[in-house]
Amino acid sequence: EAAVTQSPRSKVAVTGGKVTLSCHQTNNHDYMYWYRQDTGHGLRLIHYSYVADSTEKGDIPDGYKASRPSQENFSLILELASLSQTAVYFCASSGNTEVFFGKGTRLTVV
Amino acid sequence: SQWGEENLQALSIQEGEDVTMNCSYKTYTTVVHWYRQDSGRGPALIILIRSNEREKRSGRLRATLDTSSQSSSLSITAAQCEDTAVYFCATDSTGGYKVVFGSGTRLLVSP
Repeated sequence: EAAVTQSPRSKVAVTGGKVTLSCHQTNNHDYMYWYRQDTGHGLRLIHYSYVADSTEKGDIPDGYKASRPSQENFSLILELASLSQTAVYFCASSGNTEVFFGKGTRLTVV
Repeated sequence: SQWGEENLQALSIQEGEDVTMNCSYKTYTTVVHWYRQDSGRGPALIILIRSNEREKRSGRLRATLDTSSQSSSLSITAAQCEDTAVYFCATDSTGGYKVVFGSGTRLLVSP
């Protein structure tokens, strides 16, 4: 079964601190994504990647960096966390059609 | 209908009613996905309809696709309380990445 694993599942970070969210997929998928979801809102694409060692900006990349060191792993990095980045973050992977999501990381910036 | 970064739309119905959610997309797509997101979980695919199909059924779910108007719909027949969830449509993208999600509809089914 396709699997996308995110860590940590929840995190509290201080304003101005660095945060790294990790994602690992065992689906052998080329595409990986990071989405942000705010309460009462839909999914907004932050960064994505279609091959290892390459990342692309999504719709809301400001304040975020991404890293894809291998096909299986995709990280989201907040160099200077801000209060406005409090949200639930989803990692996902896809091949030709279906997108498989992780369970999400709840990030609270205080 | 859903698209873009708008707030989740909200629908509230009684158990046993039929409901239809609409999705309008902006660019050519070869497939429309419909995903369901339960509280506290990531979205999961529930039905997928390709551009050469006008209708697709799966149990109580029915998806339609009108490529001329660039719109799709998801209908649930005789909704149950367990259908309460957020529903997203998604399409292929010409922007360089594979899938783009609509803004979503929050469906509440009450007993």
